[in-house]
Amino acid sequence: DVVMTQTPLSLPVSLGDQASISCRSSQSLVHSNGNTYLHWYLQKPGQSPKLLIYKISKRFSGVPDRFSGSGSGTDFTLKISRVEAEDLGVYFCSQSTHVPPTFGGGTKLEIK
Amino acid sequence: QVQLQQSGAELARPGASVKMSCKASGYMFTTYTIHWVKQRPGQGLDWIGYINPSSGFTNYNQKFKDKATLAADKSSTTAYMQLNSLTSEDSAVYYCTRRIDPDAMDFWGQGTSVTVSS
Repeated sequence: DVVMTQTPLSLPVSLGDQASISCRSSQSLVHSNGNTYLHWYLQKPGQSPKLLIYKISKRFSGVPDRFSGSGSGTDFTLKISRVEAEDLGVYFCSQSTHVPPTFGGGTKLEIK
Repeated sequence: QVQLQQSGAELARPGASVKMSCKASGYMFTTYTIHWVKQRPGQGLDWIGYINPSSGFTNYNQKFKDKATLAADKSSTTAYMQLNSLTSEDSAVYYCTRRIDPDAMDFWGQGTSVTVSS
């Protein structure tokens, strides 16, 4: 199975700061069709995960443009340009290029 | 709007089985596969498997192939997952989610909590 490694585990930030989360995969996520199926989710306490970014950098419907994704191959980054209170929670990266789909261990974004 | 409405929390004895449901609405049920994901308290996410509601085809994570059984009913646009031979390791929240393979799981149910205790 593809192992997804996220860093850091915990990210204390001040509101208005920029935040950056890294995700590394144990093998390339480039699919045979040329797409890279690397996605980002946010899970707030007591809620189910919500899709933020799909295929590295595409924002899902309704996701603010302060969220951006980048990367290629095995190294990927999620950036939040100006953290707001509603952004707090656990962020997961996930790959669906390979079967089974796998998830990173999560990064908890919290107030400093 | 797209909704995946899951059944309520379950309390079960070790060795028992539970069957949970995921009612889909707001989209064409047969266009998307339904995936199931396990989350233990304070832990990450583990993919269990998926069902194609159109064909009934299922694919399981090897870790769960003897634990979970997936089904879907097109007439009621509902997917089901049965977990058997429950142990404390099965205590978790289980989510259903939809996908057009191999893209992202875009909408998720609210989760069904399963507690296994004697």
